[in-house]
Amino acid sequence: KQEVTQIPAALSVPEGENLVLNCSFTDSAIYNLQWFRQDPGKGLTSLLLIQSSQREQTSGRLNASLDKSSGRSTLYIAASQPGDSATYLCAVRDSGGSNYKLTFGKGTLLTVNP
Amino acid sequence: DTGVSQDPRHKITKRGQNVTFRCDPISEHNRLYWYRQTLGQGPEFLTYFQNEAQLEKSRLLSDRFSAERPKGSFSTLEIQRTEQGDSAMYLCASSLTGDTEAFFGQGTRLTVV
Repeated sequence: KQEVTQIPAALSVPEGENLVLNCSFTDSAIYNLQWFRQDPGKGLTSLLLIQSSQREQTSGRLNASLDKSSGRSTLYIAASQPGDSATYLCAVRDSGGSNYKLTFGKGTLLTVNP
Repeated sequence: DTGVSQDPRHKITKRGQNVTFRCDPISEHNRLYWYRQTLGQGPEFLTYFQNEAQLEKSRLLSDRFSAERPKGSFSTLEIQRTEQGDSAMYLCASSLTGDTEAFFGQGTRLTVV
């Protein structure tokens, strides 16, 4: 059974700092990995999707890397802003079976202080 | 708005009542998923549709839960005889194919009192 762990559970940084969020998964047989952002009481916003054949994806100030063999991904946020404050969720899509469901970690709660 | 739409956004119900939620996926997406999220946890898979066919149900989906996707368009999730433990955020997601980017709706927050 796939398990996804996110470290740290919470992170507080001053505005302007660069930061890294970590995600690990137990079964490396995945199709892809997706990072999401969730604001309090809201749904999930997709940030980046990395296919299993890719090493990294970039979108603006965000960069996500994937090391499938070691079961790890990182989300790098450059020059953090107070508007980046949210919970960041990592999810993997397993290649076993046919339903392509996502397995999520519990998330990292990020607070960026002005 | 061409994103995933869920209705209602919030629902408060008394224990024992039935509730129904609706999800409208992105129009060309044939995969539709339901997830449930409780406070401090990541979303957990409930069920999956490919077009109108419900192909998998999680063990989390007791016999009080039923989901449909008539004609492969919108989907409904019904909970019968609600219990306090059903209180959660119910999230719907859709994707074009099985391994492409998943897009989520804003969720329906259910509170059972």
